[in-house]
Parts: sequence; structure tokens; C-alpha cells
Amino acid sequence: EAQVTQNPRYLITVTGKKLTVTCSQNMNHEYMSWYRQDPGLGLRQIYYSMNVEVTDKGDVPEGYKVSRKEKRNFPLILESPSPNQTSLYFCASSLDGGYYGYTFGSGTRLTVV
Amino acid sequence: DQQVKQNSPSLSVQEGRISILNCDYTNSMFDYFLWYKKYPAEGPTFLISISSIKDKNEDGRFTVFLNKSAKHLSLHIVPSQPGDSAVYFCAATTSGTYKYIFGTGTRLKVLA
Repeated sequence: EAQVTQNPRYLITVTGKKLTVTCSQNMNHEYMSWYRQDPGLGLRQIYYSMNVEVTDKGDVPEGYKVSRKEKRNFPLILESPSPNQTSLYFCASSLDGGYYGYTFGSGTRLTVV
Repeated sequence: DQQVKQNSPSLSVQEGRISILNCDYTNSMFDYFLWYKKYPAEGPTFLISISSIKDKNEDGRFTVFLNKSAKHLSLHIVPSQPGDSAVYFCAATTSGTYKYIFGTGTRLKVLA
């Protein structure tokens, strides 16, 4: 089944403790992206990647890092999480840069206390 | 500065009637627009897109209209079904940038 898989689905962590949210796609898509969803703010793009080793900042990149060492994986790294990074995170992938839609994962709900 | 706005947080429609969801944008550089549907506890699902060279795109029950002069797009769902009850997001981008700006969403409730 073609899909984007994120792990974990739920995570509670403490301020300052580094964490990684993994994302993997099995569709051989070149484009991948991370979003966060917050009440009243919709979805905001954090980072995106056009191919292996090619990444760029989205609208809200502060406090996040990404890497794209393999085509299928695009992990999101929070080096020192803070409570304002409590959010619902989505990873997505696309064959064409998203013009015909991204395929989204099921989401990771992160709480930073 | 909200470049993509969905001014109606919610909308209720009777089953079988038309649902019209609206979206306004401010950035004249946007040339590609998309609609996504989102159910609770799931990721968004792509519905339909439109390029700025068109003013209408249709896919089954879903039609997107683009009015470039007004910087406005709308999604029409005809006929509406209870399974269409979800949050709908519009999104916009400028070709070649791969940066997407989403609206805040409209929660559609289709009443049986």
C-alpha cells in the first residue's frame, strides 16, 4: 500500500530533550515536506526537500532541523524542544512538487512540557 | 500576515444540497491552488487543484473556481453527502518554489 509513515503517533517530552520524528514513504517520491497544524493557524510548512541532500526552509523553520540522506526518509529533528513546539505534525510526499497534491502521513501529536 | 484566508470557520449544509467553501489570497505571485480534506485523526487528503491559467476545474462532485482578479477561489461540492463532513483547507503556491501556504480551514458539516 502506498503510504507515508510517521513515528511515533504520540509523544510527550520535556523541554530541552532532543527528539526525532521519523517519516518514510514507499512511493519513490522526490518531494517531501513537514507541516505543523495548530488551532486557528491551519497548516504551516516547516521544511521541504526536493531530493536527496536538497532541503529548504518553509514558513516556520525555527527550532527544527531536517535531513534527507535517502529518498524514502525525511526525519524531523527538534534539538531543544520548547512548549511552543507542542503541535500536530504531518509529513507529506509528492511526485511532482505538490501541484497534484501531497500524500500526507497520519500525524504525530507532540506535547512538550 | 495571512496570505491565504478562509473566513468561514464552519458551514452546515443539508445532504443533497450544494456546499460552497471559499478562500481568499493576497499574494499575486500564487499561481497554483489546491484543496485538501481532513478527517479527525488522519492526515489531509488531496481533493482537487487548479492552475492560474484556468478558471475552473472539475472532478466528479467537486469543482474549483478561480477568480484571479478578485484573488478568490471556491470549492463547490454537489451533491453534498454526509461523508463529506470534514475540515477543508485551501492552499496556494508559486510554481517552482515548492512552498505552500495553507488557509486556516473550514469545518463542513453535512446534515442527513
